[in-house]
Formats: sequence, C-alpha cells, structure tokens
Amino acid sequence: EAGVVQSPRYKIIEKKQPVAFWCNPISGHNTLYWYLQNLGQGPELLIRYENEEAVDDSQLPKDRFSAERLKGVDSTLKIQPAELGDSAVYLCASSMGQSSYEQYFGPGTRLTVT
Amino acid sequence: DQQVKQNSPSLSVQEGRISILNCDYTNSMFDYFLWYKKYPAEGPTFLISISSIKDKNEDGRFTVFLNKSAKHLSLHIVPSQPGDSAVYFCAGRNTGNQFYFGTGTSLTVIP
Repeated sequence: EAGVVQSPRYKIIEKKQPVAFWCNPISGHNTLYWYLQNLGQGPELLIRYENEEAVDDSQLPKDRFSAERLKGVDSTLKIQPAELGDSAVYLCASSMGQSSYEQYFGPGTRLTVT
Repeated sequence: DQQVKQNSPSLSVQEGRISILNCDYTNSMFDYFLWYKKYPAEGPTFLISISSIKDKNEDGRFTVFLNKSAKHLSLHIVPSQPGDSAVYFCAGRNTGNQFYFGTGTSLTVIP
C-alpha cells in the first residue's frame, strides 16, 4: 500500500513569490492534515479536512495561506506571498477518520524562502 | 501555550540498555497519547499509543507508561538498538481530534 505522497520534496523561492504544495493521502483515508514543522519543534496543525470539508483551520494564517481538498482526496496548500519566516517543513498526514488516532505522515516539503 | 512538553532535547544510550524518553502534558482533555519516530528527511512514523484510561501499553521492545495524576508519560525501549536512533515525538489528542506535539527528543544509541 502506498503511503502519503507529497511533492515537491524541496522548494527554494524568493520572498513575495507564491508556492504550492501537493499531498496525496493514503487511499480510503477521509481525514487529511497539513502541519508546519519549524526546526527543533514538533509539527503544528495548520488545517484539517474531513473529506472535502475544512473542519479545523484556526491556525491557518488566512491572509497568505490557503488550502483546498477537491473531491475529498488530494489536497493543495498554497502560500502567497511567501515570507522569510515561512521557511519550514510542511507535512501532510492522513488517517482513516475522526475516530482514528493513528496518523500517517508524508515525507514533507522543505521550503526555503530567501 | 505548549500543551505537550519534552524537556530533554537529546539522549544517548548504549546498545542493549534501556532508553527512557519522557513527556509532560497540561491538557486533561487528551484521550490518547502517541509516540512517533522520525528519521532525517522523512515524516514522523507512528510507533505506539496509549488510551487515557490505561496506564501501560506494550508492543515488543516498546512500552509506554501513563501517569495521569502527574500528567506524565514515558516511552521505554528495551533493549535499545542502533536503528532506534531517531527523533521521538510525543503527542496528545483531544476529544476534538486535535493533535498536539512535543518538541522531540533525539535518541542516539551507541553501538
């Protein structure tokens, strides 16, 4: 069974440029998470989807960040415009559903904003 | 507000000995606690969990202990192996299905 797929794995952009990250969760997983992980820190939730509905986006900086999960499968996280402080690893995770505590993480996208 | 804390950034243990990783939490509403293992350039991998109504869960070489009165949990790895060298994250899940992670402990198992 394929795991959570993320692309790109690495991205370097200049500040004020837009960037997008893509995530393909494990087949059949209804819940999808986007996390931000800064160096030396644990993952912090940005947004959680139950199927195609964003049910928890309280930590998403909505002035520059947006996300979508069309058809309840793949998801895209976008930053526009990027700032220097956005340099971090962006992790996508999925789980079977709300009652499942076991999340499966993708390898992450390491973003560097110069 | 850091709801889950791992106060030891790093730990070194000799191969074959016990590794004990500690975690403290502040939120009494967590219903599950989880440990994840992370290798460089990879995402965290689920390792073991424990329900808030339990005080111990064992899976092979890994055992997690929960002390609710102290709001403390620990992960024991016995015996430790070089392949266990990784960063270990503790996490708590609340009843709203929100996960809060600690800052991680980097374990090095010395051959």
